[in-house]
Amino acid sequence: GENVEQHPSTLSVQEGDSAVIKCTYSDSASNYFPWYKQELGKRPQLIIDIRSNVGEKKDQRIAVTLNKTAKHFSLHITETQPEDSAVYFCAAPGGYNKLIFGAGTRLAVHP
Amino acid sequence: ETGVTQTPRHLVMGMTNKKSLKCEQHLGHNAMYWYKQSAKKPLELMFVYNFKEQTENNSVPSRFSPECPNSSHLFLHLHTLQPEDSALYLCASSPTQDERNTIYFGEGSWLTVV
Repeated sequence: GENVEQHPSTLSVQEGDSAVIKCTYSDSASNYFPWYKQELGKRPQLIIDIRSNVGEKKDQRIAVTLNKTAKHFSLHITETQPEDSAVYFCAAPGGYNKLIFGAGTRLAVHP
Repeated sequence: ETGVTQTPRHLVMGMTNKKSLKCEQHLGHNAMYWYKQSAKKPLELMFVYNFKEQTENNSVPSRFSPECPNSSHLFLHLHTLQPEDSALYLCASSPTQDERNTIYFGEGSWLTVV
């Protein structure tokens, strides 16, 4: 089955800096990679996703890159703000129409 | 408001109690999920229902019993739980059970087993 590893587990940055979270997956047939954000005490919500036919996707300050050869994908947040502080989860298809989530990265953005 | 509502939001139960968690979605989706979120295993898939049929049981102990009477409602019946079952239980839904569909989570039910 699919195995999704996410690094780092915690990340602390200064406001305005960039943050990068990386995930690796094992199934070369995987073709859809979403990222979810979970603020403290809130539910996880989809923030961006990428499909295997593109290498990069951007939405304002967030972007996701995909390297199918190396089987990894990354979330990039530029000009970080305190409201970006949350836990971020990557995910990849885990066979038969289900997603396997990474262990999560706790991002802290300090003013 | 995402359209996925869970009740109760907080539950404390003894190991011999029987309780149920309820989930309702108003999004017209046909797939519903139960996830367990704990410090050890964030976002661990438990059960999946697609068009009211259970399609996934991720080796969940029988003390957790799901029920899906229709595509809008999902229950998790709890019986003789253990303290290690204390966690946040998240219900979610998606248009159908397809990994390319966005999953919409509820706010979760915090369960404490004493």
